[in-house]
Amino acid sequence: DARVTQTPRHKVTEMGQEVTMRCQPILGHNTVFWYRQTMMQGLELLAYFRNRAPLDDSGMPKDRFSAEMPDATLATLKIQPSEPRDSAVYFCASGLVLGANTEAFFGQGTRLTVV
Amino acid sequence: SQQGEEDPQALSIQEGENATMNCSYKTSINNLQWYRQNSGRGLVHLILIRSNEREKHSGRLRVTLDTSKKSSSLLITASRAADTASYFCATDGGDGGKLIFGQGTELSVKP
Repeated sequence: DARVTQTPRHKVTEMGQEVTMRCQPILGHNTVFWYRQTMMQGLELLAYFRNRAPLDDSGMPKDRFSAEMPDATLATLKIQPSEPRDSAVYFCASGLVLGANTEAFFGQGTRLTVV
Repeated sequence: SQQGEEDPQALSIQEGENATMNCSYKTSINNLQWYRQNSGRGLVHLILIRSNEREKHSGRLRVTLDTSKKSSSLLITASRAADTASYFCATDGGDGGKLIFGQGTELSVKP
C-alpha cells in the first residue's frame, strides 16, 4: 500500500537546536510539498519540488528553514536554529502532476514542539 | 497567504442530515480539490473538479464549482458519525501544480 512516510512523528526540542524532518514520497511521484499546520495560520505551503528541483519556497522563512531533495526517495526540511514559534505539525505530501491533475497524498505529519 | 476561504468554520449536524460546506477563492484556477482530515492525521483527497466542470459526484459527495463567483461547495448527503472531520478546499492555480489550502470547516456529526 503506497504511502508517504514522515519521520519522526513527534519531536520535542529546545530553542536554538537544529531540527531535521524527513519524508519519503510515494515511488513514482514527481512533486513533493511541505506544509505547516497551526491553529492560527491553518495549512501554509512552505515549499514544493518538481522532479527534485525547488519550484517555490516563498512560504519558507529563508533565514532558518531549508528544504532539499537529495534523491527521489527523500525530502528533508531543516530548521536551524529552531524557535518556539516553529511549533506546529509539518506535513509532507507527494503527487504525480500530469496536465491539470494534482492530487496530493499526505504523510501523517511531524508534530514539532520547540520549548 | 491562503487562497481559499471556507464557510462555515464549524458545522454540527445530526446523523442522516446533509452537510454543506462552501469555499471561495481569489485567483483563476486549473482545478479545485476537497480534502478531509481526521484529528491528528494527514489529509486525504476526496474529489477534484476541473475549472471547466460545474458539478461532480463521488458516492455521497457532491461538489459544485462556479468560476464566475470563484466559489465551490461540498455536499455530504446522509451524513454519518464517521464523517466527523475537518474538510479543506485546495486550489491549483496551474502554476506548476501549487496547491493552496483554505482554513477548513470542522464538521461534527452527532449520532
